[in-house]
Amino acid sequence: DSGVTQTPKHLITATGQRVTLRCSPRSGDLSVYWYQQSLDQGLQFLIQYYNGEERAKGNILERFSAQQFPDLHSELNLSSLELGDSALYFCASSLLGQGKGEQFFGPGTRLTVL
Amino acid sequence: AQSVTQLGSHVSVSEGALVLLRCNYSSSVPPYLFWYVQYPNQGLQLLLKYTSAATLVKGINGFEAEFKKSETSFHLTKPSAHMSDAAEYFCAVSAPGGTSYGKLTFGQGTILTVHP
Repeated sequence: DSGVTQTPKHLITATGQRVTLRCSPRSGDLSVYWYQQSLDQGLQFLIQYYNGEERAKGNILERFSAQQFPDLHSELNLSSLELGDSALYFCASSLLGQGKGEQFFGPGTRLTVL
Repeated sequence: AQSVTQLGSHVSVSEGALVLLRCNYSSSVPPYLFWYVQYPNQGLQLLLKYTSAATLVKGINGFEAEFKKSETSFHLTKPSAHMSDAAEYFCAVSAPGGTSYGKLTFGQGTILTVHP
């Protein structure tokens, strides 16, 4: 158990819908990362937050947005869902959000868009 | 920008045999390098990391990796495979400083199969 929790574990929805994925980082970790894992794209970095502020952005679509709240949990919002958004979404956390720090991964949320 | 190439999407070994998973990286600055393991239906777990200290890095479960700057490689090895090592392995790179902060760039993964 990494100490990072993600809810829900599975999510099945239809095209055009909007969903919210939730992540609680390890106790004491200030930085949260979101990654998408799909068969065709592999593991891709989406976005990083540090202590409530956006720090780095990767291949995140405009239809996707995220935020980190004062209690440090984070949410990833996916809207106008398309079939191609079906993937495993991981949240990870680290203490400071620097390059050499270990990132602890949650179990992921499996999103299926029908 | 950083990138990672893992040579071989599937590697199959016999139990007790040497495990060698290959990873080559590209980075414009001295990188930090990581190996993660993913078991079915689970998140990623860190096996080991290189952060510019010793070039031979020992990790959990008997794995180790050697950072070779001249070859831009960070191959993962284990002297004797165990059935429980069957999983998918990811090599990842991050860069110190700049605007990349802790962002990890992953390779495509290598699925390790261990035969009895």
